[in-house]
Amino acid sequence: DGGITQSPKYLFRKEGQNVTLSCEQNLNHDAMYWYRQDPGQGLRLIYYSQIVNDFQKGDIAEGYSVSREKKESFPLTVTSAQKNPTAFYLCASSPQTGRGTGELFFGEGSRLTVL
Amino acid sequence: AQSVTQPDIHITVSEGASLELRCNYSYGATPYLFWYVQSPGQGLQLLLKYFSGDTLVQGIKGFEAEFKRSQSSFNLRKPSVHWSDAAEYFCAVVRYNTNAGKSTFGDGTTLTVKP
Repeated sequence: DGGITQSPKYLFRKEGQNVTLSCEQNLNHDAMYWYRQDPGQGLRLIYYSQIVNDFQKGDIAEGYSVSREKKESFPLTVTSAQKNPTAFYLCASSPQTGRGTGELFFGEGSRLTVL
Repeated sequence: AQSVTQPDIHITVSEGASLELRCNYSYGATPYLFWYVQSPGQGLQLLLKYFSGDTLVQGIKGFEAEFKRSQSSFNLRKPSVHWSDAAEYFCAVVRYNTNAGKSTFGDGTTLTVKP
């Protein structure tokens, strides 16, 4: 079935380590997004990408990095510069950019805990 | 900047009772509006969306929402709640003036269903 796959579902990290969260989609969507979710704060946009080899910062990009080398893949790296990385991370894709439905298709999420 | 407000952090209703979740938005033009639902530890799933036309939209699982331009609202309703509706609900708005289709989310409303 088509969808978005995030891995790992749970990840533990020591302070000072970089970690990379995987996001793969087989929906043939152009746009992909990373959101961070904290209790009581809804979803906040970290990075987004409209096409391969291009991406833009969202509202809370500091301490994160991304790449978009393939249409299907949009990995997120949480660097040691991110001061409070413990959170639930959601990857999403959308079928069109600049026009179209705007509907987001979400993965199941990755929960990162810094020890 | 656009914003979304969900005034109710937590709502409790009895099974079989009606439900209304409130959503207000701030935006310079008519936005694209969405309601998503999230079960604990899961990604978000689209319930319904409004782009234009009929201001009363039907969604999955028996949900509906009404767009009221004069009140900048997009409230979600269900005539009879089932125990399986217990979840967190997010209202979102998408802007397309920047050719990005980025969504802004409210902080969410947690629904508890009493037996």
